[in-house]
Amino acid sequence: NAGVTQTPKFQVLKTGQSMTLQCAQDMNHEYMSWYRQDPGMGLRLIHYSVGAGITDQGEVPNGYNVSRSTTEDFPLRLLSAAPSQTSVYFCASSSPRGDRGRDGYTFGSGTRLTVV
Amino acid sequence: AQRVTQPEKLLSVFKGAPVELKCNYSYSGSPELFWYVQYSRQRLQLLLRHISRESIKGFTADLNKGETSFHLKKPFAQEEDSAMYYCALSGGSGTYKYIFGTGTRLKVLA
Repeated sequence: NAGVTQTPKFQVLKTGQSMTLQCAQDMNHEYMSWYRQDPGMGLRLIHYSVGAGITDQGEVPNGYNVSRSTTEDFPLRLLSAAPSQTSVYFCASSSPRGDRGRDGYTFGSGTRLTVV
Repeated sequence: AQRVTQPEKLLSVFKGAPVELKCNYSYSGSPELFWYVQYSRQRLQLLLRHISRESIKGFTADLNKGETSFHLKKPFAQEEDSAMYYCALSGGSGTYKYIFGTGTRLKVLA
């Protein structure tokens, strides 16, 4: 049981480049989300999805796109990378039924992105 | 406004000393409160849920609805407790979205 898998672990981009951060979970979780982690700012929600075909914006969605074509996968796309997007990105998923919102998140190991 | 506040960015204690990491929240309903821990360069892990009333790695946290607090406590700190700790809130059953605090870095000194 792999849990939540994120790739790549590290990435350096040039300003203006685009890329996709991959996230996959094998726990049949309905809910998946993307956070960015910045010093002194904690975790900020970028986008989230409550099921296949359904996505919504979080607190800091600008410059990012998501899609949810399957329950397992929730990729995050950077459209045109900017230095302000230098951050650590975490994908998370949570339990679909019963104690929704009570079981907590399972996090991926993170992607450390640097935009130069 | 819904908010989670962790007033301390850094907390340093000596090994064997008691630890209290503060968390205050603002929420209009009946939230579920959590503590997450992140060891150096690792993924965040769920440490505690208030509904479980459990003790994990010697840590406990009590939800005080009157003071809207959910402070994390441990009577005797260990060096391996050094990590980043995040307090988080969810709206409970049927709600997926979480609100995280800005985190407190705990350093346990030898």
